[in-house]
Amino acid sequence: ILNVEQSPQSLHVQEGDSTNFTCSFPSSNFYALHWYRWETAKSPEALFVMTLNGDEKKKGRISATLNTKEGYSYLYIKGSQPEDSATYLCAFNDYKLSFGAGTTVTVRA
Amino acid sequence: NAGVTQTPKFQVLKTGQSMTLQCAQDMNHEYMSWYRQDPGMGLRLIHYSVGAGITDQGEVPNGYNVSRSTTEDFPLRLLSAAPSQTSVYFCASSPTNQETQYFGPGTRLLVL
Repeated sequence: ILNVEQSPQSLHVQEGDSTNFTCSFPSSNFYALHWYRWETAKSPEALFVMTLNGDEKKKGRISATLNTKEGYSYLYIKGSQPEDSATYLCAFNDYKLSFGAGTTVTVRA
Repeated sequence: NAGVTQTPKFQVLKTGQSMTLQCAQDMNHEYMSWYRQDPGMGLRLIHYSVGAGITDQGEVPNGYNVSRSTTEDFPLRLLSAAPSQTSVYFCASSPTNQETQYFGPGTRLLVL
């Protein structure tokens, strides 16, 4: 069982503010690091798949960075909007996915 | 494309009953997997398959069987349901194990 940790477990953000949170994972046997967005009563939806150390991905106001040597990834949300409220999951891929427990983001209008 | 489909959406079982959760995808993906989602624990991998005829165990395989006779279908069997198997089950598929996984809508299972 791989130890994939996400912090914080939850956070509240004022609309318009920016925020970020962390995914920590083992630094060995790395294939890829996945980020998913999961809204209540829906299925997880893919945000990014990151494969190279130093990788940076961006999708609209959401971006992510990757450090495979030290085993962490950051997800950033710039100018948070209420529709960004969701649980954000990271998953470490060493041939199969091991998910963290997620960071639940609530954006207050 | 329908994507990944799962049936049933919701099921109630009695302890000791057996059932099969169905999963199908129409994207010709080689990699398919089953997860269970429990409060505070995220998604945990039950079984996965890298292609027809090939399956392997994930993190929590006990009590579950799988088979992959076709590329499209990956059913999950509960041989003798237990209350500890009450959960939401998600099936997912991807072209390969390194690429984005696409999730089905989930099956909510209650074992009494």
